[in-house]
Amino acid sequence: KAGVTQTPRYLIKTRGQQVTLSCSPISGHRSVSWYQQTPGQGLQFLFEYFSETQRNKGNFPGRFSGRQFSNSRSEMNVSTLELGDSALYLCASSLLTGTNTEAFFGQGTRLTVV
Amino acid sequence: DQQVKQNSPSLSVQEGRISILNCDYTNSMFDYFLWYKKYPAEGPTFLISISSIKDKNEDGRFTVFLNKSAKHLSLHIVPSQPGDSAVYFCAAVDNYGQNFVFGPGTRLSVLP
Repeated sequence: KAGVTQTPRYLIKTRGQQVTLSCSPISGHRSVSWYQQTPGQGLQFLFEYFSETQRNKGNFPGRFSGRQFSNSRSEMNVSTLELGDSALYLCASSLLTGTNTEAFFGQGTRLTVV
Repeated sequence: DQQVKQNSPSLSVQEGRISILNCDYTNSMFDYFLWYKKYPAEGPTFLISISSIKDKNEDGRFTVFLNKSAKHLSLHIVPSQPGDSAVYFCAAVDNYGQNFVFGPGTRLSVLP
C-alpha cells in the first residue's frame, strides 16, 4: 500500500509569491491534515480536511488555505509568502476524522522563501 | 503560551539503558495523547498512544505513562538502541477532537 505522497519535495520561492503544495493520502483515507514544522516552533497544526470539508483549523493567518478533492487528495496554498513561511510542511492522512486516530505522515515539502 | 511542553530539547543515553522522555500539558480538556518519532528528512511516524482512562500503555520496548493529576506523561524506551536516535514529539488531543497540539520535540541520541 502506497504511503502518503507529498509533492514537490523541495521548493524555493521569493517573498510575495504564492505557492501550492500537494498531498495524496493513503488509499481509503478520507482525512488529510497539514502541519508546519520550524526549528523554533516545532510542529504546528494548520488545518484538517475530511470529505472535502475543512473540519479543524489551527491558528494561522488567512494567507494559508487549503482544499480537498473528491479523491481525498489535498492542496495547501500560501499566498503573499513571507520569509517566516520557510519551513517543512507535512501532510498526514487518517482513515477517519477526529484527531485521536493514528495519522500517517508524508515526507514533507521543504519550502524556502528568499 | 505552550499547551504541550517538552522541557528537554535533547537527551543522550547509552545503548541498552532506559530512555525517558517527558511531556507536560496545561489544558485539562486533553484526554488522548500520542508520541511520534521523526528522523531527519522524513515525516513523523506514530509510535504509541494513551487515553486518559489509562495510566499506562505498553508496546514492545515502548511504554507511555500518564499522570493526569500532574498533567504529565512520559515515554520509556527499554532497552534503548542506536536506531532510536530521533526527535520525539508528544501530542495531545482534547475530548472534542478539535484541539490537537504538538510539543516542540526532544532529540534523543542513543550512543553505542
